[in-house]
Amino acid sequence: AQSVAQPEDQVNVAEGNPLTVKCTYSVSGNPYLFWYVQYPNRGLQFLLKYITGDNLVKGSYGFEAEFNKSQTSFHLKKPSALVSDSALYFCAVSPDSSASKIIFGSGTRLSIRP
Amino acid sequence: NAGVTQTPKFRILKIGQSMTLQCTQDMNHNYMYWYRQDPGMGLKLIYYSVGAGITDKGEVPNGYNVSRSTTEDFPLRLELAAPSQTSVYFCASSQPDREAGELFFGEGSRLTVL
Repeated sequence: AQSVAQPEDQVNVAEGNPLTVKCTYSVSGNPYLFWYVQYPNRGLQFLLKYITGDNLVKGSYGFEAEFNKSQTSFHLKKPSALVSDSALYFCAVSPDSSASKIIFGSGTRLSIRP
Repeated sequence: NAGVTQTPKFRILKIGQSMTLQCTQDMNHNYMYWYRQDPGMGLKLIYYSVGAGITDKGEVPNGYNVSRSTTEDFPLRLELAAPSQTSVYFCASSQPDREAGELFFGEGSRLTVL
């Protein structure tokens, strides 16, 4: 069965500093990995995805994520954090390319202090 | 362009009552999903559908039923409401192939069972 873990409930970063939100996954076969962001009282918004190819994928709002097969990780990164990046971030995985069944992690709350 | 629309936004039920959460999308997406979000627990997949007439169970299907008679609509039915079903429910849709995994979410339906 597929699963995804986000080991940190909360990440605190000063504005302008780089940020990393961690994600590890477990899936048989090739994983299809995603990051979503949720602002208060809203639905989730798609940020980026890894299907195949380059291990570093770029997404919306200056975010990027690095796929590491040997460590089964897909960490979300941004070189310089903004206060407006403060939100809840979810990692997700699908066991196949159809992405018909997508399983989400428990979420990490990112807080950027001015 | 409305995207994914969920109704109602808020509802309070008594134990044992039944209700249907409505979800409709106007993007002609083949895939649709129902998730529930509990505090600190991330999103759990309840049911999903890859097309009209096709539905499948997710991680937490017990106590729920779905149908998909049209491409646009994917209602979620609670037959005998229980306090454990108090949650925020999100409907989402996506298109397979190149956009696989890029889910569009509704604004959510907050359900309280007393």
